[in-house]
Order: sequence, then C-alpha cells, then structure tokens
Amino acid sequence: EPEVTQTPSHQVTQMGQEVILRCVPISNHLYFYWYRQILGQKVEFLVSFYNNEISEKSEIFDDQFSVERPDGSNFTLKIRSTKLEDSAMYFCASSGTSGRAGTDTQYFGPGTRLTVL
Amino acid sequence: AQKVTQAQTEISVVEKEDVTLDCVYETRDTTYYLFWYKQPPSGELVFLIRRNSFDEQNEISGRYSWNFQKSTSSFNFTITASQVVDSAVYFCALIRNTDKLIFGTGTRLQVFP
Repeated sequence: EPEVTQTPSHQVTQMGQEVILRCVPISNHLYFYWYRQILGQKVEFLVSFYNNEISEKSEIFDDQFSVERPDGSNFTLKIRSTKLEDSAMYFCASSGTSGRAGTDTQYFGPGTRLTVL
Repeated sequence: AQKVTQAQTEISVVEKEDVTLDCVYETRDTTYYLFWYKQPPSGELVFLIRRNSFDEQNEISGRYSWNFQKSTSSFNFTITASQVVDSAVYFCALIRNTDKLIFGTGTRLQVFP
C-alpha cells in the first residue's frame, strides 16, 4: 500500500540554525500539507501546497517557514532560524488524485520529531 | 468558527470492554467532512474513517463503529471488545471547503490486559 515517508525521523538542532524536513508524498497525489504537533497537544495545520504554490497557510506559518517541491517526488519544509518553540513533531500529509483537496482523505507520514536546543 | 471538541482527555478500560470516544464539532458550513485518526505510541497518524455531512448512516468496520448525528453535531467512535493494541490517542477532525484539517485535542485510550 502506498504511504507517505518522512526523513529524518528525529532532528536535533541548535536555536538559530536552519533545518529542512523532507517528505515523499504518495506518488499520484496532488495536494501536500505540513502539520505540527507540540508534545502532548493537538495537531495543527501549517500549510497546504498545490500546483507548485501555497494554497493555504495558517498564522503559525510565518516568514521563517517555507515549502518547496524541488523535484517530482520530494516535498520539503524549511525553517530558516529555529526557535525553542519550534520543537514539535512535524507531519507531512498528501491527498487528492483529483477535485478539491477538502473532499479527499489526507494520509500522514510518520512524522519528524524536531528538537531545538 | 470551526471547532472540534473531544471532552474526554483520557479513558482507561480493561480488555474486552466496549468504549465510546466522543466528538462534538462546530461549523456553519452545510458541506463538511469528519474524520477519525489513531495515533499509536509510535507516533504516526493512521486514518480510520471519513464521513461527509450528507451521509448520516452509521458505519461498522470490524470492532469499530461510528455514530454520526447532525442533530447533536456529534461523530462518536465505539470500539467493541477492546484490545491492548487499541491503546492510542484518537483524534477527531473536521474539514470544510478548505484545505486544512481541524483536529480535536485527542482522547488517550489505555486498554489494560
């Protein structure tokens, strides 16, 4: 069964450093997402991406964050200058072979645990 | 505003007991979708079910069943004859005419042998 994969599973970084989290969405999906989950809290939407551009973003997704689909398979989340409060589990998801994103199920990857020291 | 409330923070049961996880949602939209995801201790989010707002039929899948009631804005999830492997955090989520899933705060289910 196709699945979303994410690397690395755990990333430790120093405050102020840049990190790139990588995702390989399900191959025929058209919509891609990043969510985050601070430890013990609920899952929060960060950004959605379709047709090589951001389609929606939350207020969490400020100028420190960017997303990119550098090739036909990868989808990345970059945090330019990490802060302590960026420590969280970051989930990538993908959905939609056709139609509006909201009508299709989002399938999640296993997550990347980011620890900012 | 859209919101999903899971009032039960944590539930503990003994194996073979039935357990119901509550989910109440708020939205002004007439078209929306509701979901349940499971987050086992390993941390991933596993899709369980999607239900659209026009389909109030209850659904059963093995030991899992879901009760969708628009009149009370609820989408409850029942596990029959619970097993230790059901131990996880369960999230209810809502999506309307947009891209983002709105999650509840989750219910941690612990099933003891």
